[in-house]
Amino acid sequence: DSGVTQTPKHLITATGQRVTLRCSPRSGDLSVYWYQQSLDQGLQFLIHYYNGEERAKGNILERFSAQQFPDLHSELNLSSLELGDSALYFCASSTNREAEYGYTFGSGTRLTVV
Amino acid sequence: KNEVEQSPQNLTAQEGEFITINCSYSVGISALHWLQQHPGGGIVSLFMLSSGKKKHGRLIATINIQEKHSSLHITASHPRDSAVYICAVSFTTAGGTSYGKLTFGQGTILTVHP
Repeated sequence: DSGVTQTPKHLITATGQRVTLRCSPRSGDLSVYWYQQSLDQGLQFLIHYYNGEERAKGNILERFSAQQFPDLHSELNLSSLELGDSALYFCASSTNREAEYGYTFGSGTRLTVV
Repeated sequence: KNEVEQSPQNLTAQEGEFITINCSYSVGISALHWLQQHPGGGIVSLFMLSSGKKKHGRLIATINIQEKHSSLHITASHPRDSAVYICAVSFTTAGGTSYGKLTFGQGTILTVHP
């Protein structure tokens, strides 16, 4: 157990639907990062939150949004789902904004859109 | 363009062999990470480097900042080392900070046969 908890582990949903992925960072970590891993694009950075505020955005689609709550857990919302959104979604956490001490990754949520 | 290139893409070895995986990147970085991902599994952070060399058990990671190159070595490889090894970097922005955002290589699939 890495200390980063992601739920659910697996999710199967239909095109056009909306899902929410949840991430609880390791205790004491203030930063949460979301990554998408697909067969054709590999691992890509989506978004970074630090202590409740958005700090950086990567290749995140407008249909996707995220937030970090006061208890530091984060949710990634994916809407109007398309087949191409099927992927592994990883969350990682770090102690501070610059990840000076590295990252701890969760085990991922596997999203299948049918 | 900030890029990370890994080689080889696939690597097959016999148990006991010495293994090297290479990673090169295009511009200045604040840190380089080696990650391990087992089939169907989560991501484990192996090393975080900004200079020099680190060792953990049979794994050794080195980085040459001037050459913009890093290597991951596995001594006395074992079938349990079979996994995908991913190089990831935090590129330094014009403002001198990376905000912890990672850019990933495409990964090296390592298979170690008994």
